[in-house]
Amino acid sequence: QVQLQESGPGLVKPSETLSLTCTVSGDSISSYHWTWIRQPPGKGLEWIGCLYNSGTTVYNPSLKSRVSISIDTSKNQLSLNLNSVTAADTAIYYCATTKRWLSFDIWGPGTMVTVSS
Amino acid sequence: EIVMTQSPATLSVSPGERATLSCRASQSVNSNLAWYLQKPGQAPRLLIHGASTRATGIPGRLSGSGSGTEFTLSISSLQSEDSAVYYCQQYNLWPLTFGGGTKVEI
Repeated sequence: QVQLQESGPGLVKPSETLSLTCTVSGDSISSYHWTWIRQPPGKGLEWIGCLYNSGTTVYNPSLKSRVSISIDTSKNQLSLNLNSVTAADTAIYYCATTKRWLSFDIWGPGTMVTVSS
Repeated sequence: EIVMTQSPATLSVSPGERATLSCRASQSVNSNLAWYLQKPGQAPRLLIHGASTRATGIPGRLSGSGSGTEFTLSISSLQSEDSAVYYCQQYNLWPLTFGGGTKVEI
């Protein structure tokens, strides 16, 4: 069974870049479709973007100019970069995956990121 | 983007009763709809995909129905472990979108 673990800095300064990694264990990262989803404290889920078929990316238009998602098959890792962050980017960030089309049955535990000076 | 609207926002039910949660899409999503459950401090868990197919390990007392723009998640014989926030998500069109959630209180 594939397992996911998000990692990265818990605190990022405004205007800087948020960089997170999702480490995959138990299977090849290339076998799945991937997504990043975030959840501001006490609020609902917001889709950030997807990487599918091992390389095609699609992003939420509300974040498109600031976000990039990539995959490193040698390290079995998924990455998220979100630049020019503000306090509105404070959230729990989840990576999730599926072999089906875009209903996500495997999730990491999430990592809390706070944007503050 | 497709807006997903869930109702009610909060549902209080007694143990053993049945809960019915609704999810409406602003335009057709065919059957490309998933339901998730999220408990405090935990990641969401997939319950239903394809509007009505239970995910692995999900008990038969949970069932999903609907297509197009109207969807329902039914939970029978409610147990304390069913207390959670339930989200619907469409994956018919980009961007993927979630409903605002229904909090079920037992």
